[in-house]
Amino acid sequence: DAGVTQSPTHLIKTRGQQVTLRCSPKSGHDTVSWYQQALGQGPQFIFQYYEEEERQRGNFPDRFSGHQFPNYSSELNVNALLLGDSALYLCASSSLQGKANYGYTFGSGTRLTVV
Amino acid sequence: RKEVEQDPGPFNVPEGATVAFNCTYSNSASQSFFWYRQDCRKEPKLLMSVYSSGNEDGRFTAQLNRASQYISLLIRDSKLSDSATYLCVVIRSGGYQKVTFGTGTKLQVIP
Repeated sequence: DAGVTQSPTHLIKTRGQQVTLRCSPKSGHDTVSWYQQALGQGPQFIFQYYEEEERQRGNFPDRFSGHQFPNYSSELNVNALLLGDSALYLCASSSLQGKANYGYTFGSGTRLTVV
Repeated sequence: RKEVEQDPGPFNVPEGATVAFNCTYSNSASQSFFWYRQDCRKEPKLLMSVYSSGNEDGRFTAQLNRASQYISLLIRDSKLSDSATYLCVVIRSGGYQKVTFGTGTKLQVIP
């Protein structure tokens, strides 16, 4: 049973560029949440997708956008990259709109470096 | 005030010691609580849920104190392999769930 898979694992981009990160949720999960984790900080919630719609959003600018596909996989897009966007981007999947009792399963993350 | 707060540490303890971490939360409507473990440059992994009655899993004990709005994690007989960052997670419902992570407490178990 595959867990959450994210791609790519590492990425280096130049300031001003655009990036797309991908996530396939754990089998049986239908909800995908994206987090940004800067070095030494806890994960910060970006947004959550369920039924192909953005259901919740954290305190991130519109440069951060996403998408969920019918197979529940998801993409995170970041436009006009800033140096401060350098972080580990984590995807977490859950079932039934993120029912708390089951917690979240995280992917291993994409480490983005903006230079 | 942050919604979820943790002492960042690091907590440096010798092998075999008992260590405890607390995590405070500010919103009394918070409903569900978890501890996650995160190894250096790895993803967080669920360690245990936290129930009002307290729960134990081997050397790990989690407690919830709703009156004082904090959760705790106790690790007995620390092992070198327990060295990691421990993140508390607080979930609040209200339409859609809001999941908030603490910044994590770093534990270093020393031989």
